[in-house]
Amino acid sequence: ELKVEQNPLFLSMQEGKNYTIYCNYSTTSDRLYWYRQDPGKSLESLFVLLSNGAVKQEGRLMASLDTKARLSTLHITAAVHDLSATYFCAVDRGGADGLTFGKGTHLIIQP
Amino acid sequence: EAQVTQNPRYLITVTGKKLTVTCSQNMNHEYMSWYRQDPGLGLRQIYYSMNVEVTDKGDVPEGYKVSRKEKRNFPLILESPSPNQTSLYFCASSSAYRGNTIYFGEGSWLTVV
Repeated sequence: ELKVEQNPLFLSMQEGKNYTIYCNYSTTSDRLYWYRQDPGKSLESLFVLLSNGAVKQEGRLMASLDTKARLSTLHITAAVHDLSATYFCAVDRGGADGLTFGKGTHLIIQP
Repeated sequence: EAQVTQNPRYLITVTGKKLTVTCSQNMNHEYMSWYRQDPGLGLRQIYYSMNVEVTDKGDVPEGYKVSRKEKRNFPLILESPSPNQTSLYFCASSSAYRGNTIYFGEGSWLTVV
């Protein structure tokens, strides 16, 4: 059974700082997704990582995937308040089975 | 505009009263699925469908039914809702190519009293 663990689950940081959210998963997969969710809202797709070594960047967010280590990271550079949200990683289980989600990282960025 | 539309968005119902949450997508996607989101648990998959008339159980299927009679629609049916099915429900769709973006609906807040 695929398990997905995110760390930390809660993060409070100051604007301008850098930080990394980690996503570990337990079985082989070469597809990983990152989503953002604002309170009471749907999930917004941030990144789709499709292969070992994949790195994608959008603004202050950068995601990477190491399939051998079964690890993905979401790095935040020079955080701003607008990035406050809950971030989920989700791992593709293969076939048509869909995604297994981590429990989410609740990120608060304080001015 | 690519959309996954769920209805109702908000519902309070009573134990045992059958209800259906509809989901419709306008992207001609083959894959559709239902998730529930509970505090501290993330999202868990309820059912998924690879195409018309093809459905299968996800991680937490108990108490739910689905059907896929048309490609665009994937309703979630609670035959006899119970309070432990109080949750936020999301429908999702994607194309058959694995690795494409998976689109989520706006969510349906369901309370069973």
